[in-house]
Amino acid sequence: NAGVMQNPRHLVRRRGQEARLRCSPMKGHSHVYWYRQLPEEGLKFMVYLQKENIIDESGMPKERFSAEFPKEGPSILRIQQVVRGDSAAYFCASSPRLTGAGEQYFGPGTRLTVT
Amino acid sequence: GQQLNQSPQSMFIQEGEDVSMNCTSSSIFNTWLWYKQDPGEGPVLLIALYKAGELTSNGRLTAQFGITRKDSFLNISASIPSDVGIYFCAGQPDDHNFNKFYFGSGTKLNVKP
Repeated sequence: NAGVMQNPRHLVRRRGQEARLRCSPMKGHSHVYWYRQLPEEGLKFMVYLQKENIIDESGMPKERFSAEFPKEGPSILRIQQVVRGDSAAYFCASSPRLTGAGEQYFGPGTRLTVT
Repeated sequence: GQQLNQSPQSMFIQEGEDVSMNCTSSSIFNTWLWYKQDPGEGPVLLIALYKAGELTSNGRLTAQFGITRKDSFLNISASIPSDVGIYFCAGQPDDHNFNKFYFGSGTKLNVKP
């Protein structure tokens, strides 16, 4: 019974390149959340998706960032034209249903470094 | 946006000591969560609290949902070296938006054997 999977675990990009982060939720989970964590800080909500729908993207930067959760395949967080300030750990969490919280299960994260 | 103030920022304790950390919010929350994060890993849920006044234990960990609904605390009794890590509180405000959770900035726990 695999947990939430994220890949790659580490990603290095030069300024201006694109970064694609993947998240496969736990089996049977149809809700995915993406968070960003800067060093020595807590997690900041970015976006909440269900299959084929973006439910809440109020935490996403308006430009360069996008997310999807297609009917088949993993959820993707895409960052275009990366800048140094995008360097952070990006975590996804999945839930089996619209949650009152406690049932979010986190993946191991993707550490993005922009050089 | 919502603000969660978590304290202390870091703690250095001796193995066997008890630990207490807390989290306060600027508004009423209807859910409090406590997570532990090890280096290079994602947060792992320790305890979830859903009612004001609720006191819940998980082994040596005990957490309470404050009566005012604006705070929560986590206690760890008889600490051991594997308790080392960063502990985060997280909460869901009482605004009927089930999509968002807010995290504190973490308490870094160091335990000396």
